Amino acid sequence: GDSVTQMEGPVTLSEEAFLTINCTYTATGYPSLFWYVQYPGEGLQLLLKATKADDKGSNKGFEATYRKETTSFHLEKGSVQVSDSAVYFCALRDFNKFYFGSGTKLNVKP
Amino acid sequence: NAGVMQNPRHLVRRRGQEARLRCSPMKGHSHVYWYRQLPEEGLKFMVYLQKENIIDESGMPKERFSAEFPKEGPSILRIQQVVRGDSAAYFCASSPPAVADTQYFGPGTRLTVL
Repeated sequence: GDSVTQMEGPVTLSEEAFLTINCTYTATGYPSLFWYVQYPGEGLQLLLKATKADDKGSNKGFEATYRKETTSFHLEKGSVQVSDSAVYFCALRDFNKFYFGSGTKLNVKP
Repeated sequence: NAGVMQNPRHLVRRRGQEARLRCSPMKGHSHVYWYRQLPEEGLKFMVYLQKENIIDESGMPKERFSAEFPKEGPSILRIQQVVRGDSAAYFCASSPPAVADTQYFGPGTRLTVL
């Protein structure tokens, strides 16, 4: 069945450091891929998405490229800020069902 | 345009009681999804509904859990005879008709079973 695996956290970085959060997926079809962010006490917010192979999603300095050959959708940001501290979820959509990874908590220290 | 609304935000129940969680989708959205998030875990799909129809309930526990999305009013997730293991955050998401590519999430209801 479909599934998403992402790196375990927490990830702790200093402000302005480079961020990578790994995400790989297993799917039977051709899914769309997403990154969502969850701030404490809140619901999930869409961060970026990609709908087909080689697409790059980007938003607020975050980027992720849909790599079909490696079944990956790693999240990157060149320079993190304290305000980026949150839990990040990788997800895929296959037809009308979404599958989420277990989340990676990011702590950014000033 | 108001986002997805859920109420209550926090709900405390004793074992054996019933819990009712409500979700009002974004205006114009006719697809509703319910997810459960256990502490330190990701979201697990429970059920997908359209107005007056359950499309996919493959993630719903076989007993005590039910969901509906009536023609008028919010979607309801109902948990009968709650147990401590039901304690979790329950999130609702909605998407527009015919464009289910992106889901928009509500703030969640945090259920605590004493």
